[in-house]
Amino acid sequence: SQQGEEDPQALSIQEGENATMNCSYKTSINNLQWYRQNSGRGLVHLILIRSNEREKHSGRLRVTLDTSKKSSSLLITASRAADTASYFCATDAQSGYSTLTFGKGTMLLVSP
Amino acid sequence: DAGITQSPRHKVTETGTPVTLRCHQTENHRYMYWYRQDPGHGLRLIHYSYGVKDTDKGEVSDGYSVSRSKTEDFLLTLESATSSQTSVYFCAISEKPQGIAGDTQYFGPGTRLTVL
Repeated sequence: SQQGEEDPQALSIQEGENATMNCSYKTSINNLQWYRQNSGRGLVHLILIRSNEREKHSGRLRVTLDTSKKSSSLLITASRAADTASYFCATDAQSGYSTLTFGKGTMLLVSP
Repeated sequence: DAGITQSPRHKVTETGTPVTLRCHQTENHRYMYWYRQDPGHGLRLIHYSYGVKDTDKGEVSDGYSVSRSKTEDFLLTLESATSSQTSVYFCAISEKPQGIAGDTQYFGPGTRLTVL
């Protein structure tokens, strides 16, 4: 069953604008990760945030985590056409299972 | 890029035939995973391995088997392919397990399998 669910399913913006994607999950987690997938390619890791962290930055990426609401957001600032991709959140489960469960993804289109 | 290759990259086969997909890594990572990606379902875990000869089932393991006889190779076998197994298959690796350790997974380029 899906642990994480991204919202919106699709997002279309202009270059220079900010893009925000959300992820909700159902059970308590140790960590939440965000990945990016360019069309036809494998996923690429963007950032990992631990359950005791509230916010994390990496370049133009800002990730927040609210464990009380079981939700996370990924903000991409000053978007570029090259940011066009699908973005997935992935969660583990505090039961200690050694795997990740991925959401269905948000498809981001950044137009020049 | 992490050293992960998948072979073949594309395959068309017929229902009922056996198919083996190979994942090869040069990173010496202990954990290896097989996922399938389908429209509307995202990525779903098929099987994973936590060491040589140590494997376990994922969310959608029915109809699939795996083997890992060497650290660098993780094979996914469809014993008798069905049309519902038409998908894009991704292999991934990680140095540490998920859970409290929490580790990045590195993905291969994928194999597009079509079962007619």
